[in-house]
Amino acid sequence: EPEVTQTPSHQVTQMGQEVILRCVPISNHLYFYWYRQILGQKVEFLVSFYNNEISEKSEIFDDQFSVERPDGSNFTLKIRSTKLEDSAMYFCASRGGGNYNEQFFGPGTRLTVL
Amino acid sequence: AQSVTQLGSHVSVSEGALVLLRCNYSSSVPPYLFWYVQYPNQGLQLLLKYTTGATLVKGINGFEAEFKKSETSFHLTKPSAHMSDAAEYFCAVRDSSASKIIFGSGTRLSIRP
Repeated sequence: EPEVTQTPSHQVTQMGQEVILRCVPISNHLYFYWYRQILGQKVEFLVSFYNNEISEKSEIFDDQFSVERPDGSNFTLKIRSTKLEDSAMYFCASRGGGNYNEQFFGPGTRLTVL
Repeated sequence: AQSVTQLGSHVSVSEGALVLLRCNYSSSVPPYLFWYVQYPNQGLQLLLKYTTGATLVKGINGFEAEFKKSETSFHLTKPSAHMSDAAEYFCAVRDSSASKIIFGSGTRLSIRP
């Protein structure tokens, strides 16, 4: 069964460093998403991406964040200068076309900013 | 705007007892509703979803949920709890833009032996 994969599973970085979180969505999917979950809190939407551009972003997704689909298979989330409060689990999700299709979530990347 | 409220951040039931996790939603358009489960240190797994049609939706692991428009509810039930059901459960609604999913704050389900 096809699945969304994410690497790395755990990333530890120093405050101020850049990190790139990687996702491989399901191959025929068209819509891509990033969500995050701060420890003990609910899952929050960050950004959605369709047709090689951002279709929607939350207020969390400020200028420090960017997304890219560099090669038609990977979908990346970059944080330019990490802050302590960026520590969270980051989930990638993808969805096929059609109105009823569900989002499939990856296993997540746990980002720890020291 | 869409929103989801989960009543009870923690629910504890005995093994074999009925599981009832409550969810109420707010939506300006016909909602698409979901229940996701998250086991410790794992990702989100879809339990079930409601889009249109039959209001009683059956999911994996014996769970089901009923969409009640008059009550704006989508409660999750399972007739008989199993130890393996211990996890965090998230109710969610898909935004009217057909884009993001909006999650509730989650309910942690504990099962007593």
